[in-house]
Amino acid sequence: GENVEQHPSTLSVQEGDSAVIKCTYSDSASNYFPWYKQELGKGPQLIIDIRSNVGEKKDQRIAVTLNKTAKHFSLHITETQPEDSAVYFCAASLGGWVNQFYFGTGTSLTVIP
Amino acid sequence: GAVVSQHPSWVICKSGTSVKIECRSLDFQATTMFWYRQFPKQSLMLMATSNEGSKATYEQGVEKDKFLINHASLTLSTLTVTSAHPEDSSFYICSAPQPLNTEAFFGQGTRLTVV
Repeated sequence: GENVEQHPSTLSVQEGDSAVIKCTYSDSASNYFPWYKQELGKGPQLIIDIRSNVGEKKDQRIAVTLNKTAKHFSLHITETQPEDSAVYFCAASLGGWVNQFYFGTGTSLTVIP
Repeated sequence: GAVVSQHPSWVICKSGTSVKIECRSLDFQATTMFWYRQFPKQSLMLMATSNEGSKATYEQGVEKDKFLINHASLTLSTLTVTSAHPEDSSFYICSAPQPLNTEAFFGQGTRLTVV
């Protein structure tokens, strides 16, 4: 089955700096890669996603890049703010309208004011 | 976006009792829902896939007789933790994919504490 690895497990940045979180996946058939933000005691919330036919996607301060050949994808957060502090999970799936998600191990991001 | 509602958000129960957690898709029909368990500072681990009108599919190592799943309607799936023990204490999260869409929407989670 699919194996998703995520690094780093913890990340601290100064407010205004950029944060980068990286994930790798093992199944070349995976074609949908969402990123979730989870705040303490809450369920994950989708913040951005990318499909395998796209190499990069950006939404304001958040961007995701995908390298299908190398089987890795990254989350980039620019101009970080304290409210960006949370746990971030990457995931991979085979896509389709009913699909199973394989999650990375999570990155605890702390933005220092 | 689509909304998935989970209830209760937290529950404390005595060891040996059963607890039911509900997962509802509020503005779309979900023939499939997923149940995850998350231990502190760990990732989400898929427990089972809930299928409307048929039996759930459990992941390896998950006891189907302990974690009963019922998906009786297109908007509701329930997870019942039977004969709960302290080691069952965890954060349980459901998700539902929106039809004709790759995205999955997550409930807000249920914190179960077994004492």
